[in-house]
Amino acid sequence: AQSVTQPDIHITVSEGASLELRCNYSYGATPYLFWYVQSPGQGLQLLLKYFSGDTLVQGIKGFEAEFKRSQSSFNLRKPSVHWSDAAEYFCAVGADNQGGKLIFGQGTELSVKP
Amino acid sequence: DGGITQSPKYLFRKEGQNVTLSCEQNLNHDAMYWYRQDPGQGLRLIYYSQIVNDFQKGDIAEGYSVSREKKESFPLTVTSAQKNPTAFYLCASSFVARQAKEQFFGPGTRLTVL
Repeated sequence: AQSVTQPDIHITVSEGASLELRCNYSYGATPYLFWYVQSPGQGLQLLLKYFSGDTLVQGIKGFEAEFKRSQSSFNLRKPSVHWSDAAEYFCAVGADNQGGKLIFGQGTELSVKP
Repeated sequence: DGGITQSPKYLFRKEGQNVTLSCEQNLNHDAMYWYRQDPGQGLRLIYYSQIVNDFQKGDIAEGYSVSREKKESFPLTVTSAQKNPTAFYLCASSFVARQAKEQFFGPGTRLTVL
């Protein structure tokens, strides 16, 4: 069955520290991969996406993610976290044969300590 | 500016009432989606539509209904058959024919049953 797993429900990092949010997927087809961010009470905003080519993708707000096919992972990273990065982060997977449907992970809530 | 609008932002319903949540997009997207979000459960797909006058059930369609009479609009009705409708509802849209079909999200509607 297709699935997306974000192993960490909640992560706390200090401002200025580096960040890595984990995402693992199980998908039969060649996947498209996305990271979204959601502030409380708001909709989701796309941070970055991967669909082919360079496995290291750059996104908005200084985020990047690396697609590792051998590990079925698409981890999100940021070298230096800002207090404004506190939010919930969702990994999502899609494929050509899914007609635009995405499968979302459960989300990781990020807290930032001053 | 192009985007997705949802209304109302907050909605209160008495038990036994049907309510309709509005979703409009001016991005010329073919597909539209409705998700339900509960704390700790990520996003669950309720219904989606890839073309006008056609729609498919998602993972949790029971107690909900939709219509797609116009490309720009995809209203969701929460019926009295939905046993636990209190949740945050998100509408999204995407192209269908392009690769890496990222979804764009509206700001959400929070529904509370009194």
